[in-house]
Amino acid sequence: QQQVKQSPQSLIVQKGGISIINCAYENTAFDYFPWYQQFPGKGPALLIAIRPDVSEKKEGRFTISFNKSAKQFSLHIMDSQPGDSATYFCAASMGAGKSTFGDGTTLTVKP
Amino acid sequence: EAGVAQSPRYKIIEKRQSVAFWCNPISGHATLYWYQQILGQGPKLLIQFQNNGVVDDSQLPKDRFSAERLKGVDSTLKIQPAKLEDSAVYLCASTAQGGTGEQFFGPGTRLTVL
Repeated sequence: QQQVKQSPQSLIVQKGGISIINCAYENTAFDYFPWYQQFPGKGPALLIAIRPDVSEKKEGRFTISFNKSAKQFSLHIMDSQPGDSATYFCAASMGAGKSTFGDGTTLTVKP
Repeated sequence: EAGVAQSPRYKIIEKRQSVAFWCNPISGHATLYWYQQILGQGPKLLIQFQNNGVVDDSQLPKDRFSAERLKGVDSTLKIQPAKLEDSAVYLCASTAQGGTGEQFFGPGTRLTVL
């Protein structure tokens, strides 16, 4: 059972553009929604995370938008740079427990 | 602060052979996870430890996979016998007790079963 669905599978954006990745979840008990960034040959690293008591969180060029009623959340990367080219995973967890991951989005930012 | 260490980084074995992976989490992190990441997919939890006790192993194929964390620090994941479909990256992660929930991942072990 896929509890976290992520789209698109791949994304190509021009340098300076906005990258948007979407995720939907099913389990309303989830209360922690992180986004991880993974470069080839490396493990995932936390990029930004949100809890369901806020609708938006911004850290630099990265913003999470959260819609609790729709059970959806998205990652926006403003002014995308070639160095942002990586695979991005959304995830959801209950408390500090195990995370359920989406299947990832491969982002390519063209110079 | 040193990160999560894993070894080996790469392993190639024949099917039906056995293999073991090692993980040393960040010092002081009580919770340790093993994930399996198949190419093109997100990490999927195999087992979660809290100190040296198992919290969740519901997705661990126990007929061939085993894991231990005897002293509540480092951990070993074993596959015996390996199947072709076990080819994947095996990721270890850890979290601090009472922390935000952020998981710190190691670089992973890429396993190829021929």
